[in-house]
Amino acid sequence: DAGVTQSPTHLIKTRGQQVTLRCSPKSGHDTVSWYQQALGQGPQFIFQYYEEEERQRGNFPDRFSGHQFPNYSSELNVNALLLGDSALYLCASSFGGRVRADTQYFGPGTRLTVL
Amino acid sequence: GEDVEQSLFLSVREGDSSVINCTYTDSSSTYLYWYKQEPGAGLQLLTYIFSNMDMKQDQRLTVLLNKKDKHLSLRIADTQTGDSAIYFCAESQQGFQKLVFGTGTRLLVSP
Repeated sequence: DAGVTQSPTHLIKTRGQQVTLRCSPKSGHDTVSWYQQALGQGPQFIFQYYEEEERQRGNFPDRFSGHQFPNYSSELNVNALLLGDSALYLCASSFGGRVRADTQYFGPGTRLTVL
Repeated sequence: GEDVEQSLFLSVREGDSSVINCTYTDSSSTYLYWYKQEPGAGLQLLTYIFSNMDMKQDQRLTVLLNKKDKHLSLRIADTQTGDSAIYFCAESQQGFQKLVFGTGTRLLVSP
């Protein structure tokens, strides 16, 4: 049974470009949350998707957008990249739109570097 | 508001006990968690505690919660070099709420 997978593993972009990150939830999970982890910091909540809709959003600008597909996989899109967007982007999956400690799983993350 | 604070660094010798501390501000926190992150890796859930509990023990791990002071601690018994990592405290409210993380405590275990 595959856990949460994310792609790509690493990505290098330049300022002003756009990027798309992908996440496949653990089998049986239907909810995907995205987090940004800057170097030396704890993860910060970006948004959560359930039933193909954005359910909750953190304090991130509209440059950050997402999508959830019928198969529950999700994409995170960031437009007009800034140097400060360099971070590890983590995806977490769970079931039933609920964040429960014992049923939420994190992927390995995508390391984004903006030059 | 939501805020979770941790000390930045802890160094112990192999075989000793480690105690990592965390304070939080949101009195409506329902679940409190400890995650482990090794270099270049994602987050691994170690243990969690409901806010109506005082203590939870899971093998080498003991979690203590002082709800009055909003203080959470993680004790690792017989710390091993493989326990060297960053440990994050996090909280969430009941239901489908987000996780709010602390800044992490880097644990270094020396032989």
